[in-house]
Amino acid sequence: NAGVTQTPKFQVLKTGQSMTLQCAQDMNHNSMYWYRQDPGMGLRLIYYSASEGTTDKGEVPNGYNVSRLNKREFSLRLESAAPSQTSVYFCASSDIGGPVETQYFGPGTRLLVL
Amino acid sequence: RKEVEQDPGPFNVPEGATVAFNCTYSNSASQSFFWYRQDCRKEPKLLMSVYSSGNEDGRFTAQLNRASQYISLLIRDSKLSDSATYLCVVNVGGGATNKLIFGTGTLLAVQP
Repeated sequence: NAGVTQTPKFQVLKTGQSMTLQCAQDMNHNSMYWYRQDPGMGLRLIYYSASEGTTDKGEVPNGYNVSRLNKREFSLRLESAAPSQTSVYFCASSDIGGPVETQYFGPGTRLLVL
Repeated sequence: RKEVEQDPGPFNVPEGATVAFNCTYSNSASQSFFWYRQDCRKEPKLLMSVYSSGNEDGRFTAQLNRASQYISLLIRDSKLSDSATYLCVVNVGGGATNKLIFGTGTLLAVQP
């Protein structure tokens, strides 16, 4: 049981390049989330998916797109990376209706945009 | 005003000390409350939920005051391994999903 996995762990991009961050969970959770974490800002929600087939914007969705490929996988795409998107990105999942509203986080992807 | 506010610290305390962290939130409709722990360069992990009646888990005690929109975490007999950033988290969602708002965290450094 790996929990939440993310790839890649590190990435360096040039301004304007695109990339997709991958996330998968093996806990059979319905809900999945993408956050970014910046110094002094805390974690901020980019997009979330309450269930397979649905996605919704969070607090900071501009410059990102997401795909809920199936119940296990939720990807985050940067179409044209900007230096302002340099951050640590965390994927999380949760099981709404379970005994504890815990979100389980992946290990993060550290992204540097030059 | 931030939705969830915490003192960033750092709190530098000796082993064995008792330390308390406070947090305030602005959304009176918030549904549930948590403390998460985040080690350096790692992902956040749930430490404990916070209930109105107060709850305790070993050396950790969490309190919620809905009237004052205030959450606290008390750590007794601090260990070196308690050194981490403690995130105050408020759930403002409901229904089909939860939407967590994270504070910026309070850094705790326990000294030998």
